[in-house]
Amino acid sequence: SQQGEEDPQALSIQEGENATMNCSYKTSINNLQWYRQNSGRGLVHLILIRSNEREKHSGRLRVTLDTSKKSSSLLITASRAADTASYFCATDDLVNRDDKIIFGKGTRLHILP
Amino acid sequence: NAGVTQTPKFQVLKTGQSMTLQCAQDMNHNSMYWYRQDPGMGLRLIYYSASEGTTDKGEVPNGYNVSRLNKREFSLRLESAAPSQTSVYFCASSEEVRNYGYTFGSGTRLTVV
Repeated sequence: SQQGEEDPQALSIQEGENATMNCSYKTSINNLQWYRQNSGRGLVHLILIRSNEREKHSGRLRVTLDTSKKSSSLLITASRAADTASYFCATDDLVNRDDKIIFGKGTRLHILP
Repeated sequence: NAGVTQTPKFQVLKTGQSMTLQCAQDMNHNSMYWYRQDPGMGLRLIYYSASEGTTDKGEVPNGYNVSRLNKREFSLRLESAAPSQTSVYFCASSEEVRNYGYTFGSGTRLTVV
């Protein structure tokens, strides 16, 4: 099934450094979304980027989208301990146009003090 | 604003027992979803409801049934629980997934023994 795949599966960095996570997907999309999940909690929507956009910013988050490579990246700048979480990308399906999104397996980000 | 409310938060069932997971949203969203999350598997879609009165199967519907009771409520039923259904279940809603992200509930942790 169409699904985003995040890379790396896990990432540990020092507080203050930048964290980059990547997502690849298989089919044509209308949009790609990123979510954060803190341990034991539900997912929180971070940002949505449409297929006709190449880059989008929200606070310390920067998302890029390359539809020719079917890939996206999430950059978190000046990381903080509170950024420790799992991050998921999710895509819809432009061909089927059904009203659902499919999630990848996530990147576990750990910010070291 | 409560957002998406799931009950119960925790449940232990014996194999063969039945139960219903409840989900309600107060954001007047059209679409509602049930996902399960297992270690290393990301989130997998069980069923969804694009609008009141409609339901569709997702990636892993076997062993589950759903009811879109009204616009606010979307329940998930396990008729005869199996150990393979041990998981964390998340309900989510969206105004319209091609333009907006999902709002998630805090999850139900289900153990089937």
